Amino acid sequence: SQQGEEDPQALSIQEGENATMNCSYKTSINNLQWYRQNSGRGLVHLILIRSNEREKHSGRLRVTLDTSKKSSSLLITASRAADTASYFCALLTGGGNKLTFGTGTQLKVEL
Amino acid sequence: GAGVSQSPRYKVAKRGQDVALRCDPISGHVSLFWYQQALGQGPEFLTYFQNEAQLDKSGLPSDRFFAERPEGSVSTLKIQRTQQEDSAVYLCASSLGRLAGGPGTGELFFGEGSRLTVL
Repeated sequence: SQQGEEDPQALSIQEGENATMNCSYKTSINNLQWYRQNSGRGLVHLILIRSNEREKHSGRLRVTLDTSKKSSSLLITASRAADTASYFCALLTGGGNKLTFGTGTQLKVEL
Repeated sequence: GAGVSQSPRYKVAKRGQDVALRCDPISGHVSLFWYQQALGQGPEFLTYFQNEAQLDKSGLPSDRFFAERPEGSVSTLKIQRTQQEDSAVYLCASSLGRLAGGPGTGELFFGEGSRLTVL
């Protein structure tokens, strides 16, 4: 079962614009991670934010976490066509031995 | 090797056939995971190994699914008497240590997946 719900399911923007996708969840977490998946490929880790952190940056990525609202957002600034992919949030919960993935957001960046 | 390697990349099986999917994790990675990904969905957890020990198999959908990692490195996911609903991409991932509290960054490194189509 998917424990993370992502919103929107699909997002289409122009190159250079910012893309924001959100992840909501229901359980308490150890950490929350974001992954990217290009069509027909495996998942690639983007960024990890721990439950006691509120914001993290990595290059053009910015992740926020609000544990009181049980939600996270991923912001991609100055998007490029190469950012076109599906993006998944993943939750590390409980004993911390498995990641549970969300439903994903399909991002399309057009030239 | 440099990354997680999975084989075969594509497998077509007739309903009722047995299939075996192989995963070669990153050398030295203690944790190994199998996920099943249906078209347009996120990966669903199947099972987890720490070295050769299968510590969690709660995600295996039926007793037709079996996974092993006998020497703590290469893992095989076996599906017996395949059914059409088994059609999916099977993803393998590894991690240096335990995801929480262990060495490493707590991230998973994924292979490219094995796409299984059952006719």
